[in-house]
Amino acid sequence: NAGVMQNPRHLVRRRGQEARLRCSPMKGHSHVYWYRQLPEEGLKFMVYLQKENIIDESGMPKERFSAEFPKEGPSILRIQQVVRGDSAAYFCASSEYDQGVDYGYTFGSGTRLTVV
Amino acid sequence: AQTVTQSQPEMSVQEAETVTLSCTYDTSESDYYLFWYKQPPSRQMILVIRQEAYKQQNATENRFSVNFQKAAKSFSLKISDSQLGDAAMYFCAYRSGGSNYKLTFGKGTLLTVNP
Repeated sequence: NAGVMQNPRHLVRRRGQEARLRCSPMKGHSHVYWYRQLPEEGLKFMVYLQKENIIDESGMPKERFSAEFPKEGPSILRIQQVVRGDSAAYFCASSEYDQGVDYGYTFGSGTRLTVV
Repeated sequence: AQTVTQSQPEMSVQEAETVTLSCTYDTSESDYYLFWYKQPPSRQMILVIRQEAYKQQNATENRFSVNFQKAAKSFSLKISDSQLGDAAMYFCAYRSGGSNYKLTFGKGTLLTVNP
């Protein structure tokens, strides 16, 4: 089991460009979460998705940010027209639950986005 | 909204000694989960220990144990026989017991282990 795979590990974008961050959940996991970590801060929740559905996007900025988790393929966090303040580490996590039983919550290694 | 507070930005401990990291949280819920995560320089978030709020017994995992005080909304982590590999950022996290599984994190405590 390869765990939660995030790519790229590092991403550099110029101001105004688009950033696409990919997350492949653990095999068998249908819940995906995205978190953002600014320097010297803890992780801040952005969005929670479950196959093709957004369950909770209360932590995601209303403009420029979007997320999807299609039926096939990885989850994508998309940031349009990036600004310097978007520079951060973005973490994905996945989990699976069955009849109330929690089978674990696993993080990827993160993507460090730098906007220049 | 739930909040998690870690009041110690940095802590240090001598190798083989014991250290306790503090965490308090604020919630109006009665059913929830608490976690401690470790983040070494590699950035990988590693689950150290978890506690279900309905369980009175404190969770333990080898050298790691918690002191869960539900009434005081306190959840401290004790690391015994500290090792150099324990050096990392430690984050306390809260999760509601409902169907939304998102985590709320504290700002973290940087633990240094001195040889």
